[in-house]
Amino acid sequence: QKEVEQDPGPLSVPEGAIVSLNCTYSNSAFQYFMWYRQYSRKGPELLMYTYSSGNKEDGRFTAQVDKSSKYISLFIRDSQPSDSATYLCAMSANTDKLIFGTGTRLQVFP
Amino acid sequence: EPEVTQTPSHQVTQMGQEVILRCVPISNHLYFYWYRQILGQKVEFLVSFYNNEISEKSEIFDDQFSVERPDGSNFTLKIRSTKLEDSAMYFCASSEEGITSGSETQYFGPGTRLLVL
Repeated sequence: QKEVEQDPGPLSVPEGAIVSLNCTYSNSAFQYFMWYRQYSRKGPELLMYTYSSGNKEDGRFTAQVDKSSKYISLFIRDSQPSDSATYLCAMSANTDKLIFGTGTRLQVFP
Repeated sequence: EPEVTQTPSHQVTQMGQEVILRCVPISNHLYFYWYRQILGQKVEFLVSFYNNEISEKSEIFDDQFSVERPDGSNFTLKIRSTKLEDSAMYFCASSEEGITSGSETQYFGPGTRLLVL
Protein backbone atom coordinates (compact mmCIF):
# COMPACT_ATOMS: atom_id res chain seq x y z
CA GLN A 1 0.00 0.00 0.00
CA LYS A 2 1.33 3.42 -0.96
CA GLU A 3 2.01 5.78 1.91
CA VAL A 4 -0.10 8.54 0.34
CA GLU A 5 -2.66 7.98 -2.40
CA GLN A 6 -4.23 10.66 -4.53
CA ASP A 7 -6.38 10.37 -7.65
CA PRO A 8 -4.36 11.95 -10.48
CA GLY A 9 -7.45 13.14 -12.36
CA PRO A 10 -7.75 15.11 -14.50
CA LEU A 11 -10.76 16.74 -12.92
CA SER A 12 -12.64 19.12 -15.19
CA VAL A 13 -15.32 21.41 -13.74
CA PRO A 14 -17.21 24.52 -14.87
CA GLU A 15 -16.44 27.89 -13.34
CA GLY A 16 -18.32 28.40 -10.08
CA ALA A 17 -18.43 24.70 -9.17
CA ILE A 18 -17.40 23.32 -5.79
CA VAL A 19 -14.33 21.14 -6.15
CA SER A 20 -13.45 18.31 -3.80
CA LEU A 21 -9.93 16.92 -3.77
CA ASN A 22 -8.89 14.02 -1.56
CA CYS A 23 -5.99 11.96 -0.31
CA THR A 24 -5.78 8.84 1.76
CA TYR A 25 -2.77 7.71 3.71
CA SER A 26 -1.57 4.67 5.57
CA ASN A 27 0.92 6.04 8.13
CA SER A 28 -0.89 6.81 11.36
CA ALA A 29 2.14 8.83 12.54
CA PHE A 30 1.32 11.67 10.14
CA GLN A 31 0.28 14.76 12.08
CA TYR A 32 0.95 17.65 9.69
CA PHE A 33 -1.16 17.91 6.57
CA MET A 34 -0.72 20.36 3.72
CA TRP A 35 -2.17 21.16 0.37
CA TYR A 36 0.12 22.62 -2.26
CA ARG A 37 -0.81 24.06 -5.63
CA GLN A 38 1.55 23.64 -8.55
CA TYR A 39 1.18 25.54 -11.79
CA SER A 40 2.83 24.16 -14.89
CA ARG A 41 6.64 24.52 -14.81
CA LYS A 42 6.57 26.08 -11.32
CA GLY A 43 7.41 24.88 -7.85
CA PRO A 44 4.71 23.83 -5.38
CA GLU A 45 3.11 26.66 -3.39
CA LEU A 46 1.54 26.07 0.03
CA LEU A 47 -2.23 26.65 0.07
CA MET A 48 -3.45 25.19 3.33
CA TYR A 49 -1.98 23.60 6.42
CA THR A 50 -3.68 21.63 9.18
CA TYR A 51 -2.19 20.11 12.28
CA SER A 52 -3.84 16.88 13.43
CA SER A 53 -7.60 16.53 12.86
CA GLY A 54 -10.18 19.15 12.08
CA ASN A 55 -11.17 21.77 9.57
CA LYS A 56 -9.51 24.94 8.44
CA GLU A 57 -10.98 27.61 6.19
CA ASP A 58 -9.22 30.33 4.22
CA GLY A 59 -11.33 32.28 1.80
CA ARG A 60 -12.67 29.90 -0.84
CA PHE A 61 -10.57 27.01 0.44
CA THR A 62 -11.43 24.54 3.21
CA ALA A 63 -9.13 21.76 4.36
CA GLN A 64 -10.41 18.80 6.36
CA VAL A 65 -8.50 16.07 8.12
CA ASP A 66 -10.08 12.88 9.42
CA LYS A 67 -7.32 10.97 11.16
CA SER A 68 -9.61 8.12 12.17
CA SER A 69 -10.26 7.38 8.47
CA LYS A 70 -6.77 8.51 7.35
CA TYR A 71 -8.42 10.82 4.85
CA ILE A 72 -7.86 14.46 4.00
CA SER A 73 -9.82 16.77 1.72
CA LEU A 74 -9.53 20.16 0.11
CA PHE A 75 -12.68 21.96 -0.99
CA ILE A 76 -12.61 24.89 -3.37
CA ARG A 77 -15.79 26.99 -3.50
CA ASP A 78 -16.73 29.16 -6.48
CA SER A 79 -13.91 27.72 -8.55
CA GLN A 80 -12.22 30.03 -11.05
CA PRO A 81 -10.25 29.33 -14.24
CA SER A 82 -7.20 30.64 -12.36
CA ASP A 83 -7.58 27.67 -9.97
CA SER A 84 -6.58 25.37 -12.84
CA ALA A 85 -3.42 23.68 -11.59
CA THR A 86 -2.19 20.46 -10.02
CA TYR A 87 -3.07 20.10 -6.35
CA LEU A 88 -0.69 18.10 -4.20
CA CYS A 89 -1.42 16.80 -0.75
CA ALA A 90 1.61 16.47 1.51
CA MET A 91 2.05 15.05 4.98
CA SER A 92 4.62 14.76 7.67
CA ALA A 93 5.13 12.82 10.86
CA ASN A 94 7.30 14.49 13.46
CA THR A 95 9.95 15.59 10.93
CA ASP A 96 10.49 18.17 8.20
CA LYS A 97 10.31 15.50 5.49
CA LEU A 98 7.19 16.01 3.42
CA ILE A 99 5.56 12.98 1.78
CA PHE A 100 3.60 14.04 -1.27
CA GLY A 101 0.71 12.51 -3.14
CA THR A 102 0.95 12.22 -6.91
CA GLY A 103 -1.20 15.33 -7.39
CA THR A 104 -4.63 15.88 -8.94
CA ARG A 105 -4.80 17.95 -12.10
CA LEU A 106 -7.74 20.36 -11.99
CA GLN A 107 -9.14 22.20 -14.99
CA VAL A 108 -11.79 24.88 -14.42
CA PHE A 109 -13.37 25.95 -17.68
CA PRO A 110 -15.25 29.27 -18.16
CA GLU B 1 7.93 39.18 -1.92
CA PRO B 2 11.04 37.11 -1.12
CA GLU B 3 11.39 33.90 -3.07
CA VAL B 4 13.66 30.92 -3.50
CA THR B 5 15.67 31.07 -6.70
CA GLN B 6 17.40 28.24 -8.53
CA THR B 7 19.98 28.07 -11.27
CA PRO B 8 20.20 26.86 -13.91
CA SER B 9 16.59 26.41 -14.98
CA HIS B 10 17.63 23.60 -17.33
CA GLN B 11 20.73 21.43 -17.41
CA VAL B 12 21.65 18.74 -19.90
CA THR B 13 24.56 16.47 -19.03
CA GLN B 14 26.14 13.23 -20.12
CA MET B 15 25.84 10.12 -17.98
CA GLY B 16 28.73 9.89 -15.54
CA GLN B 17 29.31 13.65 -15.38
CA GLU B 18 29.09 15.66 -12.19
CA VAL B 19 26.44 18.35 -11.88
CA ILE B 20 25.91 21.07 -9.29
CA LEU B 21 22.46 22.55 -8.86
CA ARG B 22 22.33 25.89 -7.12
CA CYS B 23 19.72 27.50 -4.92
CA VAL B 24 19.44 30.80 -3.09
CA PRO B 25 16.99 30.29 -0.21
CA ILE B 26 14.99 33.10 1.36
CA SER B 27 17.45 35.18 3.34
CA ASN B 28 16.22 34.73 6.93
CA HIS B 29 15.43 31.03 6.54
CA LEU B 30 17.40 28.44 8.47
CA TYR B 31 16.13 25.14 7.08
CA PHE B 32 16.87 23.98 3.55
CA TYR B 33 15.63 21.09 1.49
CA TRP B 34 15.99 19.36 -1.83
CA TYR B 35 13.17 17.45 -3.48
CA ARG B 36 12.93 15.91 -6.91
CA GLN B 37 10.08 15.10 -9.27
CA ILE B 38 10.60 12.57 -12.04
CA LEU B 39 8.33 13.37 -14.98
CA GLY B 40 4.81 12.17 -14.30
CA GLN B 41 5.62 11.08 -10.76
CA LYS B 42 5.23 12.58 -7.31
CA VAL B 43 7.50 15.06 -5.60
CA GLU B 44 10.02 13.10 -3.48
CA PHE B 45 12.04 14.28 -0.51
CA LEU B 46 15.81 14.00 -0.86
CA VAL B 47 17.42 15.80 2.06
CA SER B 48 16.97 18.43 4.73
CA PHE B 49 19.78 20.63 6.03
CA TYR B 50 20.02 22.73 9.15
CA ASN B 51 22.85 24.32 11.07
CA ASN B 52 25.38 23.27 8.42
CA GLU B 53 24.58 19.62 8.54
CA ILE B 54 22.16 17.11 7.08
CA SER B 55 19.24 16.62 9.46
CA GLU B 56 17.44 13.95 7.45
CA LYS B 57 17.87 12.16 4.12
CA SER B 58 15.87 9.68 2.10
CA GLU B 59 17.02 6.37 0.68
CA ILE B 60 17.33 8.10 -2.70
CA PHE B 61 20.07 10.36 -1.30
CA ASP B 62 22.96 7.91 -1.61
CA ASP B 63 26.70 8.51 -1.78
CA GLN B 64 26.38 10.06 -5.24
CA PHE B 65 24.59 13.03 -3.72
CA SER B 66 25.95 15.74 -1.48
CA VAL B 67 24.74 19.12 -0.27
CA GLU B 68 26.64 22.17 0.82
CA ARG B 69 26.07 25.70 1.98
CA PRO B 70 29.32 27.19 0.68
CA ASP B 71 28.55 30.73 1.82
CA GLY B 72 25.80 32.64 3.60
CA SER B 73 23.42 32.65 0.68
CA ASN B 74 23.80 29.60 -1.57
CA PHE B 75 22.70 26.01 -1.04
CA THR B 76 23.90 23.43 -3.54
CA LEU B 77 23.11 19.87 -4.52
CA LYS B 78 25.91 17.93 -6.19
CA ILE B 79 25.40 14.71 -8.07
CA ARG B 80 28.81 13.13 -8.44
CA SER B 81 28.29 10.74 -11.33
CA THR B 82 24.93 11.19 -12.98
CA LYS B 83 22.80 8.27 -14.12
CA LEU B 84 19.97 8.24 -16.63
CA GLU B 85 17.48 7.81 -13.79
CA ASP B 86 18.63 11.07 -12.20
CA SER B 87 16.73 12.92 -14.92
CA ALA B 88 14.09 14.89 -13.04
CA MET B 89 13.01 18.33 -11.88
CA TYR B 90 14.94 19.24 -8.74
CA PHE B 91 13.29 21.63 -6.31
CA CYS B 92 15.03 23.52 -3.57
CA ALA B 93 12.92 24.68 -0.63
CA SER B 94 13.53 26.66 2.54
CA SER B 95 11.67 27.45 5.73
CA GLU B 96 12.15 29.80 8.64
CA GLU B 97 12.02 26.97 11.14
CA GLY B 98 11.16 23.28 11.09
CA ILE B 99 7.65 21.91 10.98
CA THR B 100 7.78 20.78 14.58
CA SER B 101 8.90 24.27 15.62
CA GLY B 102 5.72 25.73 14.19
CA SER B 103 6.85 26.76 10.73
CA GLU B 104 4.75 24.66 8.39
CA THR B 105 5.57 26.54 5.22
CA GLN B 106 8.33 25.26 3.02
CA TYR B 107 8.83 27.72 0.16
CA PHE B 108 9.77 26.04 -3.08
CA GLY B 109 11.88 27.40 -5.88
CA PRO B 110 10.90 27.06 -9.56
CA GLY B 111 13.10 24.00 -10.04
CA THR B 112 16.00 22.90 -12.22
CA ARG B 113 15.13 20.44 -14.96
CA LEU B 114 18.01 17.98 -15.26
CA LEU B 115 18.30 15.75 -18.29
CA VAL B 116 20.94 13.03 -18.27
CA LEU B 117 21.78 11.57 -21.69
